Amino acid sequence: DTEVTQTPKHLVMGMTNKKSLKCEQHMGHRAMYWYKQKAKKPPELMFVYSYEKLSINESVPSRFSPECPNSSLLNLHLHALQPEDSALYLCASSQGFGVTEAFFGQGTRLTVV
Amino acid sequence: DAKTTQPNSMESNEEEPVHLPCNHSTISGTDYIHWYRQLPSQGPEYVIHGLTSNVNNRMASLAIAEDRKSSTLILHRATLRDAAVYYCILRENSGTYKYIFGTGTRLKVLA
Repeated sequence: DTEVTQTPKHLVMGMTNKKSLKCEQHMGHRAMYWYKQKAKKPPELMFVYSYEKLSINESVPSRFSPECPNSSLLNLHLHALQPEDSALYLCASSQGFGVTEAFFGQGTRLTVV
Repeated sequence: DAKTTQPNSMESNEEEPVHLPCNHSTISGTDYIHWYRQLPSQGPEYVIHGLTSNVNNRMASLAIAEDRKSSTLILHRATLRDAAVYYCILRENSGTYKYIFGTGTRLKVLA
């Protein structure tokens, strides 16, 4: 199984809502990532978890809160988002050691209204 | 983080080879060169990576300049399914696990 599964595929939320994005992998990877991608732009790194600990936060606003409950699961909790946060949110995983490829999910298309 | 520079777009005819260039003049000795591509409405997918020597796999070849300041992804016979945005990424071998995407090259394949 070389898949990274993201749910939901689409999400519409109001600016006062709280929602969560979920990402799952069963490849035994120990590094997991969240990226944000706006239309016609490259993915921008948000967070990196290494061995279930947050190792990189690329100065992301606190309205985005990541969580890694176990080595297979990565969540992104969303609260009080703005319309400009509408984007494709991508999850990825990699082995966590050595220089190996990353596997990306299909993404969650988020619209903030 | 070392940066990569790629042309915004390129075109190729179907069944012909495509050479996608990438400049990375500030590459450090331990940075690996990775290539990913993103097909429409999909997440990025791994294509190939290398450090110093040229590399081949079933998808493509990677040619790395001797000074490592540039590299070229070679698709040997472009098909319509190869139309995508191709990203050249420098991957630090420092345990920080960062994959920082550059602006990428949008490849259009003409039938």
